[in-house]
Amino acid sequence: GQQLNQSPQSMFIQEGEDVSMNCTSSSIFNTWLWYKQEPGEGPVLLIALYKAGELTSNGRLTAQFGITRKDSFLNISASIPSDVGIYFCAGRNPYNQGGKLIFGQGTELSVKP
Amino acid sequence: DAGITQSPRYKITETGRQVTLMCHQTWSHSYMFWYRQDLGHGLRLIYYSAAADITDKGEVPDGYVVSRSKTENFPLTLESATRSQTSVYFCASSENSNQPQHFGDGTRLSIL
Repeated sequence: GQQLNQSPQSMFIQEGEDVSMNCTSSSIFNTWLWYKQEPGEGPVLLIALYKAGELTSNGRLTAQFGITRKDSFLNISASIPSDVGIYFCAGRNPYNQGGKLIFGQGTELSVKP
Repeated sequence: DAGITQSPRYKITETGRQVTLMCHQTWSHSYMFWYRQDLGHGLRLIYYSAAADITDKGEVPDGYVVSRSKTENFPLTLESATRSQTSVYFCASSENSNQPQHFGDGTRLSIL
């Protein structure tokens, strides 16, 4: 089946550092979504991207929809301890019925105060 | 704004038993989804529904049954639970097939 490759799998950084993670797909997507999941909770939507080249910010978070439509990245600037969690990318294939999403394996972020 | 709620949050049952996980959303979203989340597999789609009385299989539907008699509810039933179905189950909904999905807080299911 279709695969999403998300990297890195985990990151351990110092508070105040910037973070970057990305996802690549074997085929084109028409939507990229970024979610954050904290322990014991469901994924929460951070940013939604709908057009190739689109760059969208949400506070200290910035995400871009790659020009090739096969990749997306998420940047977090000046990380703080509450940024800890697992970040998932998800993409939607234009040929998939039912609005189904394909999820990356997640990037686990740890922030040292 | 209650959003999307799942119940129970935790469930322990035995192999062979039937168990139903509930999902309720207050947004009147057309689409609803069930996922399971396991280490090493990420989120995998079990079933989804585009509207009341319309359901379809996802990636891993075997062993599960769904129904959608009302727009706001989308229960997931394990008719005869197996140990391999021990997992965290998430329900999600979206306004239509192009909008983002919003998730509940999950049900942690253990099958002994």
